[in-house]
Amino acid sequence: DAKTTQPTSMDCAEGRAANLPCNHSTISGNEYVYWYRQIHSQGPQYIIHGLKNNETNEMASLIITEDRKSSTLILPHATLRDTAVYYCIVRVSLLEGGSNYKLTFGKGTLLTVNP
Amino acid sequence: DVKVTQSSRYLVKRTGEKVFLECVQDMDHENMFWYRQDPGLGLRLIYFSYDVKMKEKGDIPEGYSVSREKKERFSLILESASTNQTSMYLCASSLFGVQPQHFGDGTRLSIL
Repeated sequence: DAKTTQPTSMDCAEGRAANLPCNHSTISGNEYVYWYRQIHSQGPQYIIHGLKNNETNEMASLIITEDRKSSTLILPHATLRDTAVYYCIVRVSLLEGGSNYKLTFGKGTLLTVNP
Repeated sequence: DVKVTQSSRYLVKRTGEKVFLECVQDMDHENMFWYRQDPGLGLRLIYFSYDVKMKEKGDIPEGYSVSREKKERFSLILESASTNQTSMYLCASSLFGVQPQHFGDGTRLSIL
């Protein structure tokens, strides 16, 4: 299973961009990178996912390096409500040859957005 | 918008009771999952289902069973609750393939 490494915590000023790094140096060619976040006492919230191209949606941007060994989640204008634990995940196939997968959440990065 | 609804946010039960946790999704997703989340251990997969009446064991199925009689509903059953099953239980659903899993808000279960 590909493992991910993230900083334990980060701070960001409100209104500034938050850049959350993730290392996944053992990722294989067909594994996607997913980002989720979890606010205390709530279920994880899906943010974005990608394979090798950069991706953007209404919540964030995902930048994946050319060698795919690392990625960065960018929240362009962080707000206080973005304070959460952010998880970078490489999916693990559940059944051999199948397309179903499980998510293995590590410890994530606690992002604190300060006023 | 994606909606996964878990029947209870908080639940308190006694040791030995049979406990039912219900999850409903309104997105016509084929896959549904049950995880538990414990401090320091992250999320661990208990069971998943990729079709009605189909189920597969995850990493920690002991002491649990599941039921999926309809596509939108996936139930987790604790056959005889024990204190070590006190945890946050999370249900998720997804389409096939690379589509992301979407989670409910969780049920915080306490077994006394």
